[in-house]
Formats: sequence, C-alpha cells, structure tokens
Amino acid sequence: AQSVTQLGSHVSVSEGALVLLRCNYSSSVPPYLFWYVQYPNQGLQLLLKYTSAATLVKGINGFEAEFKKSETSFHLTKPSAHMSDAAEYFCAVTLSNTGNQFYFGTGTSLTVIP
Amino acid sequence: ETGVTQSPTHLIKTRGQQVTLRCSSQSGHNTVSWYQQALGQGPQFIFQYYREEENGRGNFPPRFSGLQFPNYSSELNVNALELDDSALYLCASSLGQGGVEQYFGPGTRLTVT
Repeated sequence: AQSVTQLGSHVSVSEGALVLLRCNYSSSVPPYLFWYVQYPNQGLQLLLKYTSAATLVKGINGFEAEFKKSETSFHLTKPSAHMSDAAEYFCAVTLSNTGNQFYFGTGTSLTVIP
Repeated sequence: ETGVTQSPTHLIKTRGQQVTLRCSSQSGHNTVSWYQQALGQGPQFIFQYYREEENGRGNFPPRFSGLQFPNYSSELNVNALELDDSALYLCASSLGQGGVEQYFGPGTRLTVT
C-alpha cells in the first residue's frame, strides 16, 4: 500500500529563515513524488516533482526537495522564507507504473513571521 | 493555453439530494482525476477517467459516479448526499493514461446541510 506522512501539521518560520517541511512515504514500487502548494480558497499548484531522475529536484519559487530512498523521505526546503510562502503544502506519491492514483499527505500549514 | 476550470465555485445542497460538478480539462489533456478534500485534510482520490473510460477508483461508494465526454471534460455525480460529503472537490487533468503531472482546478466547495 502507498501512503504519505507529513510530520508537523503546522510550521512557523521567521521571514528569511530556512523552510523545512517533512515528508515520508511508503510504496511497494518505485514512487513518483510531488509537492503541491495550496493558497486559501484555491486549488493545488505543483511546486516540484521527482520521477526517478536526479534525486535533488528544484522547483518553482526557490523550493527544492531531495529524494532519499534509504530514509523513504522527500523533504521540501527553501533557504529563505518570504511572506508570500505562507500557505498549505501537500506531499503526494503515485506509483511509477500507473500514474493514476495520487496519495496525499494531510498537509503542513506554513506560517511566515515578519 | 487554458487551465483546468470547474463549475460551480460553491454549492449548497440538502441531505439526500443529488449534485453534479463539472470540470474542463487543460487543453490537450485526455485524463481527468477527481479528488475530495475535507476541511483540514489532504485530497482523497475518487476516480480517474481516461478517454471516456474509468481508469482507477479510490475507496468511495457507488453513489459517487462520473463521466468523461469526447472533448475530455468531465462530470462528478453524487447521489443521496450525506453531511460528510461536504468538502472541496478538486479536478485534475493530465496527459495520457500514465501521465503523472496533474494540473488542478480551483475546486468546487460543496456544503451539505
């Protein structure tokens, strides 16, 4: 079975500080992994994706994530938080051999303190 | 390039009623997936349609049904609405049966009273 665990439902950082949002997955086959961002009353926007190429993935808005198979992790980072980064972040996994059903974590709400 | 659109934006229904939600996929995309996002939760996969055929289904009862049309737009139908059906319903489109990059619409907020 496939699943995603996001540690920390709420994370607060100061503006300019490092952002670290944690995601661990379980998958019976090589996974594809994603991070999405959701602003209030909006749909999901893709930040970045891992699809078995480079393990360090760079996305939009300065975010990046590293796929670590040994740790079954795909944590999201950004060196310097901006006020505009305040949003809900979701990690998701899908199977590399079907690509149809996405399994999402429960989300992490990021607050940026000025 | 037109993104994924959904209608209506908001909807209020009474328990026991039926509802139809609509989704237009991104230009060129032939696969549509539907998700239910309850308040404070991550999206839960309902089902996916590829070229007008159901191509995978999550753990939702049969009263959740769908259609995909030749132009790849899609409908989600929910019969016998229950209070727990209150949620944000998200549609996502992608290219191909195994397309992994899904583009989401803004969602339809359904409230069941």
